[in-house]
Amino acid sequence: AQKITQTQPGMFVQEKEAVTLDCTYDTSDPSYGLFWYKQPSSGEMIFLIYQGSYDQQNATEGRYSLNFQKARKSANLVISASQLGDSAMYFCAQFSGSARQLTFGSGTQLTVLP
Amino acid sequence: NAGVTQTPKFRVLKTGQSMTLLCAQDMNHEYMYWYRQDPGMGLRLIHYSVGEGTTAKGEVPDGYNVSRLKKQNFLLGLESAAPSQTSVYFCASRHPPTGTEAFFGQGTRLTVV
Repeated sequence: AQKITQTQPGMFVQEKEAVTLDCTYDTSDPSYGLFWYKQPSSGEMIFLIYQGSYDQQNATEGRYSLNFQKARKSANLVISASQLGDSAMYFCAQFSGSARQLTFGSGTQLTVLP
Repeated sequence: NAGVTQTPKFRVLKTGQSMTLLCAQDMNHEYMYWYRQDPGMGLRLIHYSVGEGTTAKGEVPDGYNVSRLKKQNFLLGLESAAPSQTSVYFCASRHPPTGTEAFFGQGTRLTVV
């Protein structure tokens, strides 16, 4: 069974600093994908970044990058130059090619301090 | 381009009543998912579908049924609503194997009293 673990229920970061949100996954499937989503207080799910298991390089999207360490089964999200608007809940998710489920972690509440 | 649309956005049910939530996507995606999100928690998978006419159970399927008669629609049914089913429900769709994003609906806030 797939399992996604986010061990940081809450994180604080000063504006303009970088922050890393942790995510570990567990799958025996060689083909899988990892996602990060942002959920602001308004409730919608906003896609941030995707990493495929066969991708050679870490994914980047603007201020977001995914630190993919396959051997450690970790897929941490790095947000550079934090902004006040980054305050939200962040979810890591895994898609398994064989199970075809899309499974989410419990989330990390990020608060950016002015 | 509407993406993923959930109907209704809000609903209040009495215990024991039934209802159906509709998820419609216009992106020709194969995979569709139903989740529930309880306050302060992550998304838990209820049921999912990997194609028209197919459905499968997720992590928390009890008390729910689903149908995927048409590729673009994924219906979630509550036969006899219980207060424990008070939650926000999200639908998502994705197109494998090239899809690098799962698209979400705006959510349905359901209260069972």
